[in-house]
Amino acid sequence: QKEVEQNSGPLSVPEGAIASLNCTYSDRGSQSFFWYRQYSGKSPELIMSIYSNGDKEDGRFTAQLNKASQYVSLLIRDSQPSDSATYLCAVNKKNDYKLSFGAGTTVTVRA
Amino acid sequence: GAGVSQTPSNKVTEKGKYVELRCDPISGHTALYWYRQSLGQGPEFLIYFQGTGAADDSGLPNDRFFAVRPEGSVSTLKIQRTERGDSAVYLCASSSRGGSTDTQYFGPGTRLTVL
Repeated sequence: QKEVEQNSGPLSVPEGAIASLNCTYSDRGSQSFFWYRQYSGKSPELIMSIYSNGDKEDGRFTAQLNKASQYVSLLIRDSQPSDSATYLCAVNKKNDYKLSFGAGTTVTVRA
Repeated sequence: GAGVSQTPSNKVTEKGKYVELRCDPISGHTALYWYRQSLGQGPEFLIYFQGTGAADDSGLPNDRFFAVRPEGSVSTLKIQRTERGDSAVYLCASSSRGGSTDTQYFGPGTRLTVL
């Protein structure tokens, strides 16, 4: 079982719609959760971090964490063509520093 | 300020050769990480430095891989006797302290191709 699993996609959504991305993790000791965006040929860029159960909103992005069910999700509201990218879910454990990444979900926003 | 920089951006080498990949972290960041990303996969942890010392090298695949950070700033990832399976994008990241909630900032990566 992989430590972090994501649907690879691709996820295609029309412009203005909500894109919903899911991520599950296997280690109950995981403490910190991150969503990175990676454009093709570029490096990962942090867009959201979440550490406690519930929702965290930042602009058009909302991260949701449910530690009991071991999943974290990312919602992108009012999707724009510029949101087309691969979204990587990453987790690390308490007092740990190395990130474990999922394989990423590729999102395409259709104009 | 300047972000994480990596050189070279691309490296093509022949099987069996030695390569060095360089990372210059964000100024003042004590924690430095190397990851490797293969096509269609997420980054995979290789090694973590806190200051000058390698605090965790558990991700290095074998003894052909070695990394140094002699002055606590620039780091070099060294690969001996390269193999075709080493072809990947090598990403360097840095963070201010190295804690579990620290944001890791990634460099642009070095794309290594072993022919």
